[in-house]
Amino acid sequence: NAGVTQTPKFRVLKTGQSMTLLCAQDMNHEYMYWYRQDPGMGLRLIHYSVGEGTTAKGEVPDGYNVSRLKKQNFLLGLESAAPSQTSVYFCASSHRAHSRIFGPGTRLTVL
Amino acid sequence: QQQVKQSPQSLIVQKGGISIINCAYENTAFDYFPWYQQFPGKGPALLIAIRPDVSEKKEGRFTISFNKSAKQFSLHIMDSQPGDSATYFCAASRDRGSTLGRLYFGRGTQLTVWP
Repeated sequence: NAGVTQTPKFRVLKTGQSMTLLCAQDMNHEYMYWYRQDPGMGLRLIHYSVGEGTTAKGEVPDGYNVSRLKKQNFLLGLESAAPSQTSVYFCASSHRAHSRIFGPGTRLTVL
Repeated sequence: QQQVKQSPQSLIVQKGGISIINCAYENTAFDYFPWYQQFPGKGPALLIAIRPDVSEKKEGRFTISFNKSAKQFSLHIMDSQPGDSATYFCAASRDRGSTLGRLYFGRGTQLTVWP
């Protein structure tokens, strides 16, 4: 089992560019999540999904969109990147509502 | 409004000492309190978790103490080792309601254990 994988690991964007972060899990988990981690701010929930075809907003959803077309994949999109979106992004999944298995992260820099 | 408050922000402990990290919460509906450990360049990993029906849970050198009346819980790392140097996050969630399973994280404590 690979667990939770994230693609890419690193990315540098210019302001206004768009990109998609891919998260994949092979544990047949129902729940999937996208977090961002900034120094001194902990982990903040961007969007989450409780099942295939469903998505919901977390605490910092502005500037991001998500899609869950397949149970094993959860995509995070940035339509027009801003420097404030420079962060480390973590995807996570869980079988039940509580426990999370986190991916290794994607380090994104927006210039 | 921050749902879970964590302190200290950073902690330096000598090898063999006891590391203590504290968290406090306001929402009495929370019924699951996990701790995550994160090494540099890695994602957080579940370390230990507790539910409010017990006051203490121990796994090896790691212990969670839970005080329901004070709405506080803490992580104790006994005989701290340099390999324990990492960032630790406390969190809280509840089983019911519209925020089912939503996990609220503290801001993290960076622990350094000196050899």
